[in-house]
Amino acid sequence: AQSVTQLGSHVSVSEGALVLLRCNYSSSVPPYLFWYVQYPNQGLQLLLKYTSAATLVKGINGFEAEFKKSETSFHLTKPSAHMSDAAEYFCAVSDGAAGNKLTFGGGTRVLVKP
Amino acid sequence: GAGVSQSPRYKVAKRGQDVALRCDPISGHVSLFWYQQALGQGPEFLTYFQNEAQLDKSGLPSDRFFAERPEGSVSTLKIQRTQQEDSAVYLCASSLGQRLGYEQYFGPGTRLTVT
Repeated sequence: AQSVTQLGSHVSVSEGALVLLRCNYSSSVPPYLFWYVQYPNQGLQLLLKYTSAATLVKGINGFEAEFKKSETSFHLTKPSAHMSDAAEYFCAVSDGAAGNKLTFGGGTRVLVKP
Repeated sequence: GAGVSQSPRYKVAKRGQDVALRCDPISGHVSLFWYQQALGQGPEFLTYFQNEAQLDKSGLPSDRFFAERPEGSVSTLKIQRTQQEDSAVYLCASSLGQRLGYEQYFGPGTRLTVT
């Protein structure tokens, strides 16, 4: 079985400050890992994914994440927050079961202060 | 091209009513998934189709939930005798196939409120 834990259900950052969202996973097989963003009343949009190539993954909108196997972590970062980054972020893992169904963490809501 | 669409976007049902939620995946996408997202939580897997075959329904919470994809394209999630605990956003996603790492594209969801 696989699971995802996102530390912190809410994060508040100032515009221009570093955004750091934490994700830890457990998986019995080498995982594929994803970060999705959800804006109000919209579906989930893929930010980036790790698929066993480079451990540092760059995504859209200036986000990146680093896969650390020893720490079972896949934390998401952005050097400088923008007001448009205010949204909810979900980390997810897939191990290939059921057509690659995703197991999601509980989400982290990001508030950006001007 | 168009993304994944879902209808209705909002549904209010009285307890005990049956509801049907529709998903139109991206054309040509073989795989289709349904997820349930309760308020303040992450989405949870309900069921998975490859073309018209339902290969995994382990996430369906009870036998009141039923999903179909008869022609391998449009899918319908049906909930019979709705209960208050069924209130959630139901998300549909599709992908090109089952190769690990294929991106799932999500629809906007249907928000179901059971009163």
